[in-house]
Amino acid sequence: DAKTTQPPSMDCAEGRAANLPCNHSTISGNEYVYWYRQIHSQGPQYIIHGLKNNETNEMASLIITEDRKSSTLILPHATLRDTAVYYCIVRAADNFNKFYFGSGTKLNVKP
Amino acid sequence: NAGVTQTPKFRILKIGQSMTLQCAQDMNHNYMYWYRQDPGMGLKLIYYSVGAGITDKGEVPNGYNVSRSTTEDFPLRLELAAPSQTSVYFCASTKLIGTEAFFGQGTRLTVV
Repeated sequence: DAKTTQPPSMDCAEGRAANLPCNHSTISGNEYVYWYRQIHSQGPQYIIHGLKNNETNEMASLIITEDRKSSTLILPHATLRDTAVYYCIVRAADNFNKFYFGSGTKLNVKP
Repeated sequence: NAGVTQTPKFRILKIGQSMTLQCAQDMNHNYMYWYRQDPGMGLKLIYYSVGAGITDKGEVPNGYNVSRSTTEDFPLRLELAAPSQTSVYFCASTKLIGTEAFFGQGTRLTVV
């Protein structure tokens, strides 16, 4: 499975867009990019995933570069409740054994 | 739907004791997983199951055992607890292999 690299922490002002980057330069053609977040000590929460097209849902948007070597999770209007650790995970859809979480990015949303 | 339910929420064990962490899901998901999360770290996969009667090792299986006798339940057994097993344990399930995972709220285990 491809490894991912994320900054350890980021700050964002409340109401502004939060853009969280993820590098996955060794990603394979059949591997998806997944994003989860973990608020305080709760169980991780699914946000979004994609293969090569950009994706949007009610929580966020996922932008994947054309070469698929990096992606950005966008929270369009961050709130204080979005303060969490955000995990970028790359794995093949049929390879659940390799559903590895790295250290993630701690997003601090500030008033 | 209750989703994924883990019990207990907290537990203190003495070295050498054994215990079972319970995990149940009511979403009829075939795939279930156990993770551990050490302080300040990401999650590590312990065991997973693709359906009743089928389990396999993940990244860090040593010191643990699992069973899957029903679709709903996926208990994790700790034999001879060690301080290195002090961690937060999360159970998760997915309906299909590539779909979103639903996580329980975790079991915080301390081995002293």
